[in-house]
Amino acid sequence: SQTIHQWPATLVQPVGSPLSLECTVEGTSNPNLYWYRQAAGRGLQLLFYSVGIGQISSEVPQNLSASRPQDRQFILSSKKLLLSDSGFYLCAWSAPGTRRVTQYFGPGTRLTVL
Amino acid sequence: GDSVTQMEGPVTLSEEAFLTINCTYTATGYPSLFWYVQYPGEGLQLLLKATKADDKGSNKGFEATYRKETTSFHLEKGSVQVSDSAVYFCASFTGGGNKLTFGTGTQLKVEL
Repeated sequence: SQTIHQWPATLVQPVGSPLSLECTVEGTSNPNLYWYRQAAGRGLQLLFYSVGIGQISSEVPQNLSASRPQDRQFILSSKKLLLSDSGFYLCAWSAPGTRRVTQYFGPGTRLTVL
Repeated sequence: GDSVTQMEGPVTLSEEAFLTINCTYTATGYPSLFWYVQYPGEGLQLLLKATKADDKGSNKGFEATYRKETTSFHLEKGSVQVSDSAVYFCASFTGGGNKLTFGTGTQLKVEL
């Protein structure tokens, strides 16, 4: 069966510091991968998605970037964090292609920028 | 573009009450529809889904029917429990861009 991991679970960072959040998926090959952000009391905002190694699509202009160095690894980064980057970051995967559309979410990383 | 509208929360119910959380969508074509549940401090879990008109998704006593004529996918449960307290998200997928469109979520609180 497939599992998805995210770390760290929680993170407190000062404004202006760098960020690296990691997501890995087990039990599947060539998954579609997604990064979402959930601000307090709000819905989910898609940040990035990837259909393969090195292929990243950005949904909104922001202070963040994503990379996919390996098939089942997806990394969310920032060079300098802003207060507005605080939130709950969720990684998700779906089966390759566009016919299997169900997305499965990881446990999330809660980021607080002070 | 696609959009999903959910009823505002929080919804507060007594245990064993009937639950309805409304969800309507706008989309080009015929989307697949989903309900996800998020328990406090956790990620989202898929609750149920439906991929075509008149399909009924069901899981753990929850049900939702894909109504094309009213563009709706309302979530229902006949008898809620305290353990159902969570935030519920409705979502649609039409294939463009490989992405889900989420509603803003509805918080459900079930009290004894």
